[in-house]
Amino acid sequence: GAVVSQHPSWVICKSGTSVKIECRSLDFQATTMFWYRQFPKQSLMLMATSNEGSKATYEQGVEKDKFLINHASLTLSTLTVTSAHPEDSSFYICSARDPAGNTIYFGEGSWLTVV
Amino acid sequence: KQEVTQIPAALSVPEGENLVLNCSFTDSAIYNLQWFRQDPGKGLTSLLLIQSSQREQTSGRLNASLDKSSGRSTLYIAASQPGDSATYLCAGLNNNDMRFGAGTRLTVKP
Repeated sequence: GAVVSQHPSWVICKSGTSVKIECRSLDFQATTMFWYRQFPKQSLMLMATSNEGSKATYEQGVEKDKFLINHASLTLSTLTVTSAHPEDSSFYICSARDPAGNTIYFGEGSWLTVV
Repeated sequence: KQEVTQIPAALSVPEGENLVLNCSFTDSAIYNLQWFRQDPGKGLTSLLLIQSSQREQTSGRLNASLDKSSGRSTLYIAASQPGDSATYLCAGLNNNDMRFGAGTRLTVKP
């Protein structure tokens, strides 16, 4: 079974609204989670590194005020896309780092469509 | 920051051929190197994980090698099948993050 659960799998929202994507580690405590974005026919680009109890570290070019990341517990990180725009339509996927073995487990991904 | 590069970007082979996909990374201090498969419109399927202390991993027709000193990993697919058609991604995990290569889009023709 999945060790990292991502929800929702699919979401459609209207332009200007906000949408939240959740990433949960089910079998371990993840002090670090990663968020990626993938546009069609492109690779996965790291958006930010989420550390429990502290601010996320964003990659260059990723707007931290637009993509809000919260890692309030050792098993949950959330990505909120604020004031969504059709250009934000993409595949978003999270992963969680199991500190025991330095193993990364990925969620199933979330397809976001902004209309 | 770490950079991961994959070549070729695309590969088309007839069924039955053996093939090699290449991955190079800039951080020799990686903890591990992982190969994934991604089908169109789908998420990631982990294929092989090679820890930094290992040289290779095998699973069925797949064999992945890791050479940290040269910053290279290869994924060998034996006796390719049309069902192997997908995009193959490699990713390196270091102390800070995990980054992906751009992927190799593989097509195996019947």
